[in-house]
Amino acid sequence: DAKTTQPNSMESNEEEPVHLPCNHSTISGTDYIHWYRQLPSQGPEYVIHGLTSNVNNRMASLAIAEDRKSSTLILHRATLRDAAVYYCILNYGGSQGNLIFGKGTKLSVKP
Amino acid sequence: NAGVTQTPKFRVLKTGQSMTLLCAQDMNHEYMYWYRQDPGMGLRLIHYSVGEGTTAKGEVPDGYNVSRLKKQNFLLGLESAAPSQTSVYFCASTSTGATSAFFGQGTRLTVV
Repeated sequence: DAKTTQPNSMESNEEEPVHLPCNHSTISGTDYIHWYRQLPSQGPEYVIHGLTSNVNNRMASLAIAEDRKSSTLILHRATLRDAAVYYCILNYGGSQGNLIFGKGTKLSVKP
Repeated sequence: NAGVTQTPKFRVLKTGQSMTLLCAQDMNHEYMYWYRQDPGMGLRLIHYSVGEGTTAKGEVPDGYNVSRLKKQNFLLGLESAAPSQTSVYFCASTSTGATSAFFGQGTRLTVV
């Protein structure tokens, strides 16, 4: 299974943009890039996903490198409620067999 | 719409006791998963199922058994609980074509 690498932790100031990186150098052509986040004492929740093109939704933006070996989750204006662990995972398109999580990045947001 | 429901939410077991955790989803999803999460760690996949009547091992399957007799339910069993199985357990479900996986709120299990 293709693996992802993320920094253990990051800090941000409230209302500033946050860029969370993820490396996935062994990604295959059919792997989707998914991001989930886990708020304290809760189960993970979906944030965004993409295959090749950059993606935007109401929660965040996903920037995918041209060679697809890395991606960046962008929170445009961090709020205190965005403090969470963010997971970048690869998911084979069309099959949801092995859904493997790494350790994620713990994001702290300072007021 | 309940989504993914885990039962129970909390449990304390003595070493050697057995128990079953229930995960129920009402979204007609084919795929279901059981994870464990230890303090300060990410989620580790225990077992998963790609359809009714099928199960497969994940990253850390030892000490656990699972069953998927009905499409909506995925059971995780501990036959002889050990203190090393103290953890928070999460269930998730998804399906082909779904945007994402949906997670339950977790079961906090303590084995003493």
